Amino acid sequence: RKEVEQDPGPFNVPEGATVAFNCTYSNSASQSFFWYRQDCRKEPKLLMSVYSSGNEDGRFTAQLNRASQYISLLIRDSKLSDSATYLCVVILPGGSYIPTFGRGTSLIVHP
Amino acid sequence: DTAVSQTPKYLVTQMGNDKSIKCEQNLGHDTMYWYKQDSKKFLKIMFSYNNKELIINETVPNRFSPKSPDKAHLNLHINSLELGDSAVYFCASSQLAGYGNTIYFGEGSWLTVV
Repeated sequence: RKEVEQDPGPFNVPEGATVAFNCTYSNSASQSFFWYRQDCRKEPKLLMSVYSSGNEDGRFTAQLNRASQYISLLIRDSKLSDSATYLCVVILPGGSYIPTFGRGTSLIVHP
Repeated sequence: DTAVSQTPKYLVTQMGNDKSIKCEQNLGHDTMYWYKQDSKKFLKIMFSYNNKELIINETVPNRFSPKSPDKAHLNLHINSLELGDSAVYFCASSQLAGYGNTIYFGEGSWLTVV
């Protein structure tokens, strides 16, 4: 089982739709979780951190489910500009705190 | 000013050559990374340095050698380039190598080996 797994998609949704992605992780001792966004031919950029109690930033909501070992990202009222790849990042425990990326989920928002 | 800058952005070279990619960050961070993103878009960590000391060295061929002259710089040298080395190489940095620290990426270096 891979350390961090995501459905690669693509998720193809109309503008205004609500879409959700999940990311599962294998190491139950993992402590830090993030969602990054990567546009085509660009570098990944932090979208939001994921806190234990869940957190919201405008149209974006991130949640953590420790029991089932997954994090989720919900995007409401999708915009064309939300089209990108969304990368899940898990900081694996250990002396070196390895930031491990999932393969990413591709989102395409169409008019 | 770009926070994490890497050069060159594009590199086309022949098999067997040796090439280097340079990276500099002006964020004052202690930790720097090299990631490789292959054609399937999978972003995989290669190396990490904390204050010039190697702390992560994933399973990477010996042909890849990182060098950190100071904590603001982390260069990547690749010997005897192979076709499979073609990828995008991202340099990144974070305040510390620990939980909760945002990773900032450079714009990437597109390496094509022909």
